[in-house]
Amino acid sequence: EDQVTQSPEALRLQEGESSSLNCSYTVSGLRGLFWYRQDPGKGPEFLFTLYSAGEEKEKERLKATLTKKESFLHITAPKPEDSATYLCAVQGVNSGGYQKVTFGTGTKLQVIP
Amino acid sequence: DAGITQSPRYKITETGRQVTLMCHQTWSHSYMFWYRQDLGHGLRLIYYSAAADITDKGEVPDGYVVSRSKTENFPLTLESATRSQTSVYFCASSGQVRGRLGEAFFGQGTRLTVV
Repeated sequence: EDQVTQSPEALRLQEGESSSLNCSYTVSGLRGLFWYRQDPGKGPEFLFTLYSAGEEKEKERLKATLTKKESFLHITAPKPEDSATYLCAVQGVNSGGYQKVTFGTGTKLQVIP
Repeated sequence: DAGITQSPRYKITETGRQVTLMCHQTWSHSYMFWYRQDLGHGLRLIYYSAAADITDKGEVPDGYVVSRSKTENFPLTLESATRSQTSVYFCASSGQVRGRLGEAFFGQGTRLTVV
């Protein structure tokens, strides 16, 4: 069964204090790893997709990286507006050949001015 | 307007009642998903659909029924609601890019309370 574990569960940073969020996974036949941002009361919003180990993607203050067992979301010089819950998800293939996505429980990030 | 919409946004129902949550997407995405989100559990997959008339169970399917007669609609029915089904429900859709799922687009969610 596919599994995704995110750590830490919660993270409190001072504005400008860089850090990383971790997503470790086990999946049969990784087809892709996704990062989403979720604000309170809203649905998740897409950030990145990574497909193979060694791949990196950046967007403003965020950078996602992928290895064979985990992914990191690096946040450089965060601002209060980066406060949100960050979700990691992996895409595998089930026995019927259909693609399925499994989410982690998320890291709740709070950036203090 | 293009997008994915869920209805209703909020619903209060009584134990034992049947409830249907609606989901409609305008992109003609082949894949659609239903998740529930509870504190401490994150997003858990209830059912998903790879195409019209193709559905499969996710992690927590018990007590739920889905159908997909048209590509754009994916309703979720609670046959006999229980208090444990009080949750926030999210519908999502994804297209495919070179045989892999693309990004998922999520609806705004339905907050369901079973009393």
